[in-house]
Amino acid sequence: GNSVTQMEGPVTLSEEAFLTINCTYTATGYPSLFWYVQYPGEGLQLLLKATKADDKGSNKGFEATYRKETTSFHLEKGSVQVSDSAVYFCALSDLVAGTSYGKLTFGQGTILTVHP
Amino acid sequence: EAQVTQNPRYLITVTGKKLTVTCSQNMNHEYMSWYRQDPGLGLRQIYYSMNVEVTDKGDVPEGYKVSRKEKRNFPLILESPSPNQTSLYFCASSLGDGVGGRSPLHFGNGTRLTVT
Repeated sequence: GNSVTQMEGPVTLSEEAFLTINCTYTATGYPSLFWYVQYPGEGLQLLLKATKADDKGSNKGFEATYRKETTSFHLEKGSVQVSDSAVYFCALSDLVAGTSYGKLTFGQGTILTVHP
Repeated sequence: EAQVTQNPRYLITVTGKKLTVTCSQNMNHEYMSWYRQDPGLGLRQIYYSMNVEVTDKGDVPEGYKVSRKEKRNFPLILESPSPNQTSLYFCASSLGDGVGGRSPLHFGNGTRLTVT
């Protein structure tokens, strides 16, 4: 079956530091890939996505590139802010056989804390 | 405002006492789903629904029931809760076309359930 593996957290950084959160996946088909973010006390929100190999998703200064050869979708940001403190989830979506609906498989989440 | 609304936000109950967590969306979404979030395990899908009167099991359906009598509502029912169902629960919805692919999931703010 499909699976998503994220780097172990928590990750603690100082403001303006460079961020990388690693994500690798296993899938039988050609999935779409996502990063969702969860701020304290809230539900998950879509941060960015990529739907095919070599696509780069970007939003709010975050970027991730769909690498089929390494089955990876690492999240990066050049200069983090305190407001980026949250839990980040990598996820993939693969179509359920015989339907036009996708099934999302999530990684375990990485807690990011950014200090001033 | 487009949103997914879950109630209650917090619930403490005892083993065996039936409970219902409500979920409602105002975006006319076809697809709705329930997840549970546990530390180190990420989000796991409990049940999902592709449309009214169409529901199916996710990865961890045991001990849960759902119904989809109206498009906007998708309640989660625990007929006889047990302590291993203590978790953070999220309802989510999507337009449904290639859900998670072309159509991102919109999440509620979660229900924290404790079963003693």
